[in-house]
Amino acid sequence: AQSVTQPDIHITVSEGASLELRCNYSYGATPYLFWYVQSPGQGLQLLLKYFSGDTLVQGIKGFEAEFKRSQSSFNLRKPSVHWSDAAEYFCAGYSGYALNFGKGTSLLVTP
Amino acid sequence: NAGVTQTPKFQVLKTGQSMTLQCAQDMNHNSMYWYRQDPGMGLRLIYYSASEGTTDKGEVPNGYNVSRLNKREFSLRLESAAPSQTSVYFCASSEEAGPYGYTFGSGTRLTVV
Repeated sequence: AQSVTQPDIHITVSEGASLELRCNYSYGATPYLFWYVQSPGQGLQLLLKYFSGDTLVQGIKGFEAEFKRSQSSFNLRKPSVHWSDAAEYFCAGYSGYALNFGKGTSLLVTP
Repeated sequence: NAGVTQTPKFQVLKTGQSMTLQCAQDMNHNSMYWYRQDPGMGLRLIYYSASEGTTDKGEVPNGYNVSRLNKREFSLRLESAAPSQTSVYFCASSEEAGPYGYTFGSGTRLTVV
């Protein structure tokens, strides 16, 4: 079945440290992949998307993601995390009619 | 810039009661979606409407019905609420059916007692 998997339920990083959130996908051909962020009590906001072409995708709020076909991964990265980045992050893939979401990774940022 | 508006934001129902969750978008999007979010489960698709006049089942449609009232509005109805339907419900829209980014509403937190 076409799906995305986020292996990490919770991640804790110190403010100013780098961040990498993992996402693995199981889609045939060229997958369409997305990262969303959800702040507490809010809806989801699109950070970035990958359709084809360059494997490194730039998004909003200083985030980027790298598509690696050999590893079936689409990991989200940020060089330096700010306290305001604490949120839930969702990876999603297009299933052919709608987006399938992973179960999410909750990011905690410590001082 | 309202985007996607969901009403109500919070609701408590008794088992067996019915209610309709409202969703409206002002971006002239063709496609709309209803998801539910449960702890540890991510978002699961309930129903979607690829275009005005069409609706289709998603991953978890049992116990729900939808109506695409017009291009702007897509409502979700619970005919006989059950405790298992306690969840946060999100409506989303996209420009077209396809691999487009979605715009989400802020959600409706529903508790069924």
